[in-house]
Amino acid sequence: EIMLTQSPGTLSLSPGERATLSCRASQSVSSTYLAWYQQKPGQAPRLLIYGASNRATGIPDRFSGSGSGTDFTLTISRLEPEDFAVYYCQQYDSSPLWTFGQGTKVEIK
Amino acid sequence: QITLKESGPTLVKPTQTLTLTCTFSGFSLSTTAVGVGWIRQPPGKALEWLALIYWDDDKRYSPSLKSRLTVTKDTSKNQVVLTMTNMHPVDTATYYCAHHSYISGWYHFDYWGQGPLVTVSS
Repeated sequence: EIMLTQSPGTLSLSPGERATLSCRASQSVSSTYLAWYQQKPGQAPRLLIYGASNRATGIPDRFSGSGSGTDFTLTISRLEPEDFAVYYCQQYDSSPLWTFGQGTKVEIK
Repeated sequence: QITLKESGPTLVKPTQTLTLTCTFSGFSLSTTAVGVGWIRQPPGKALEWLALIYWDDDKRYSPSLKSRLTVTKDTSKNQVVLTMTNMHPVDTATYYCAHHSYISGWYHFDYWGQGPLVTVSS
């Protein structure tokens, strides 16, 4: 079973700053199967990035994804007030199919 | 426009069976490569994938919960039903259904319902 570890647990930043979120897999993951979601309080997760680096429909270009193998990164180039949320990475593999990381909270400093 | 909405009880007693219905629009579960998945989230905790049913009735389950889960579909009603037996307080969570399609080779969930919080308590 592939485990996803996200770091840091919490990222305290100011609007306008750059955010770099990490997702590390316990085994190599195909980039095709790596996605990122944003979740705000009381809301369902929202797909941001799929295939490690492809922005979903309607996602601003300040969000970007990169990485391969076991190390993946979500970057928010300049934080907007609406970007403060929890972010999850997700991978797909043979078993147990879909798994999620434990999340990184991006909070206002 | 794809939408999904979960319905079912918000309170169940320990040992009872939970039945949730996902009613969707904007796509058909008879279309090749389309699936509807279930994901849950305990309060303040991370997301956990539970199950998924594909257009061809292929069903996949989380190995850790497989013995307790059943997922079925009613294509004519645009509905997917999840049942989870022998509920425990640790199963208290928000339960989401979500759209998935691997037609382009991607394996993510692109549209989600709002998810009801299901509390397990006597």
